[in-house]
Amino acid sequence: AQSVTQLDSQVPVFEEAPVELRCNYSSSVSVYLFWYVQYPNQGLQLLLKYLSGSTLVKGINGFEAEFNKSQTSFHLRKPSVHISDTAEYFCAASSGSARQLTFGSGTQLTVLP
Amino acid sequence: DGGITQSPKYLFRKEGQNVTLSCEQNLNHDAMYWYRQDPGQGLRLIYYSQIVNDFQKGDIAEGYSVSREKKESFPLTVTSAQKNPTAFYLCASSGAPNQPQHFGDGTRLSIL
Repeated sequence: AQSVTQLDSQVPVFEEAPVELRCNYSSSVSVYLFWYVQYPNQGLQLLLKYLSGSTLVKGINGFEAEFNKSQTSFHLRKPSVHISDTAEYFCAASSGSARQLTFGSGTQLTVLP
Repeated sequence: DGGITQSPKYLFRKEGQNVTLSCEQNLNHDAMYWYRQDPGQGLRLIYYSQIVNDFQKGDIAEGYSVSREKKESFPLTVTSAQKNPTAFYLCASSGAPNQPQHFGDGTRLSIL
């Protein structure tokens, strides 16, 4: 079964600084990776996805992620964060033809003025 | 607009009572899911359904039940057997395999 590890439960960062949220997944022959964002008392919104092809994936709100097969990682990055990026971020993975997603435990990003 | 609608947004349950959470989608997706979210634990899968009239248990199905009589609807019942039901419940749906899941805005269930 797939497993997903988000290495940092909380990441505080100052406004306009760069940020990286780390995600590692268990190895699989084929894996599909997603990052979601959740604002308080709301559902999850898709930021970006990796299905195949280019290992650098660009998403909404200026976020990007890089698929690294050798390190089984899919870290999320943004070069300059805003106060409005404060939210919880979830990494998720699925394998093969499965529709089910396995989620990491989440990273709370707090952007400080 | 296409999307997923969960209702109610807030729900209170008395001891020994069953409650039903509604989830409706108009995305024409085959698959639907129910997740439970607790602080610091991410999302845990309760039940999922890949087609009408069929559903499967997820990781934490005990104390919950579902039905899938229509493609658009996947209600979740939290039964009195669920001893710790206080949580945020999220419904999702997806189309083709490996495509992203789309989420509703959630229902927060509390015990009176």
